[in-house]
Amino acid sequence: GQQVMQIPQYQHVQEGEDFTTYCNSSTTLSNIQWYKQRPGGHPVFLIQLVKSGEVKKQKRLTFQFGEAKKNSSLHITATQTTDVGTYFCAGFGGATNKLIFGTGTLLAVQP
Amino acid sequence: EPEVTQTPSHQVTQMGQEVILRCVPISNHLYFYWYRQILGQKVEFLVSFYNNEISEKSEIFDDQFSVERPDGSNFTLKIRSTKLEDSAMYFCASSVARQYFGPGTRLTVT
Repeated sequence: GQQVMQIPQYQHVQEGEDFTTYCNSSTTLSNIQWYKQRPGGHPVFLIQLVKSGEVKKQKRLTFQFGEAKKNSSLHITATQTTDVGTYFCAGFGGATNKLIFGTGTLLAVQP
Repeated sequence: EPEVTQTPSHQVTQMGQEVILRCVPISNHLYFYWYRQILGQKVEFLVSFYNNEISEKSEIFDDQFSVERPDGSNFTLKIRSTKLEDSAMYFCASSVARQYFGPGTRLTVT
C-alpha cells in the first residue's frame, strides 16, 4: 500500500537555528498537506499544496511540493520554542479519500 | 474558529468489552473521519463517512469496528470487542475544504 516516510524522525535544535523535514511518498499524491501536533495535542492543519513544484510561505515556514508530486518539505527559519511539536505531512493518493499521514518529525527547540 | 468535539477524553475498558467513542463534527461539514494514533506513532486513517455511509476504510477497520451517525450531530465509532492493541488515541475529523481534528479520546484497554 501507499507509504509516506519522513526524515528525520527527530531533530533537536537551538532556538534561532533553522529546521527542515522531508516527506517522501511511494506513490504520486494529488495534494500534500502539513499538520503540526503539539505534545499531547491533536493534529492541526497548516497548509495544503496542490500544484507540482508549488512553494508556499507562512511567516517563518516555507512549504514545497516536488515536481513529481511525490515529495515535499517544510522549512522553518529561526526556530522558536513555540515551534516544538511533531510535524506530519499527509496526502491523498490517486482516486481515494484516505488521507495517509507521514511518519512525522518531532522537533525539539532548546532555548 | 469552529471545533470538533469528542467524548470522553479518556476511556478505560477491559479487553473484550464494547466501547463507543463519540464525536460532534462541525455543523456544516459533510465528510467525517476517524483516525487512530498509537502512542509515539503516526496518525492512521481508519474510515471516512459521507452521505450516511462509509466512503472508504482502511485494513485496520475490520468487522470489530463500526461507525454511525445516529442523529444530525453525533458521529460515533464503536469497537465491539476491544483488544489490548486497540489502546490508542482516537481522533475524529470533519471537513469541507480541509480537515479539522477533534481533541481525541485516549482509549486504554486493560
